Amino acid sequence: EPEVTQTPSHQVTQMGQEVILRCVPISNHLYFYWYRQILGQKVEFLVSFYNNEISEKSEIFDDQFSVERPDGSNFTLKIRSTKLEDSAMYFCASLTSGRAYEQFFGPGTRLTVL
Amino acid sequence: GIQVEQSPPDLILQEGANSTLRCNFSDSVNNLQWFHQNPWGQLINLFYIPSGTKQNGRLSATTVATERYSLLYISSSQTTDSGVYFCAVERMGGGADGLTFGKGTHLIIQP
Repeated sequence: EPEVTQTPSHQVTQMGQEVILRCVPISNHLYFYWYRQILGQKVEFLVSFYNNEISEKSEIFDDQFSVERPDGSNFTLKIRSTKLEDSAMYFCASLTSGRAYEQFFGPGTRLTVL
Repeated sequence: GIQVEQSPPDLILQEGANSTLRCNFSDSVNNLQWFHQNPWGQLINLFYIPSGTKQNGRLSATTVATERYSLLYISSSQTTDSGVYFCAVERMGGGADGLTFGKGTHLIIQP
């Protein structure tokens, strides 16, 4: 069964460094999402991406974040200058177009900022 | 934005017991999904259920869209059912808003 994959599973970085989190969505899906979950809290929407541009973004998704689909398979989230409060689990999700709205989630990347 | 309330926030049960988790939402939805977050932090998709009833083994879910709530039933609980259960919804007509998650129900199944 097709699945969303994410790399790395765990990333440790120093405050102020740039990180890139990678996702490979399901191949025929057209909508892509990033979510964030700070430890012990609920999952929060960051951004959605369709047709090579951002569709929606939340208040959390400020100028330090960017997303890109550099080729036909990868979908990336870049955090330019990480802060301690960026430590969280980051989930990628994808959705096919059409009548069904079910989102398929990857296993997540745990980001630790020291 | 749409509000999602889950209850109870915490639930402790003995192995073999049955449980019902509730999710209330404040607006019409295109999408409602139930997830189980395992000890490794992964979100396991249990059901995609914007309306109606579905069953998968010991788990079943019902969404009454007109009354804006969904229920997740777990029968004959096992210790492996422990974890946090999240309900997440997408507002109808929201385009690509993304899912809004509830705060979850933390379920502990004791042997």
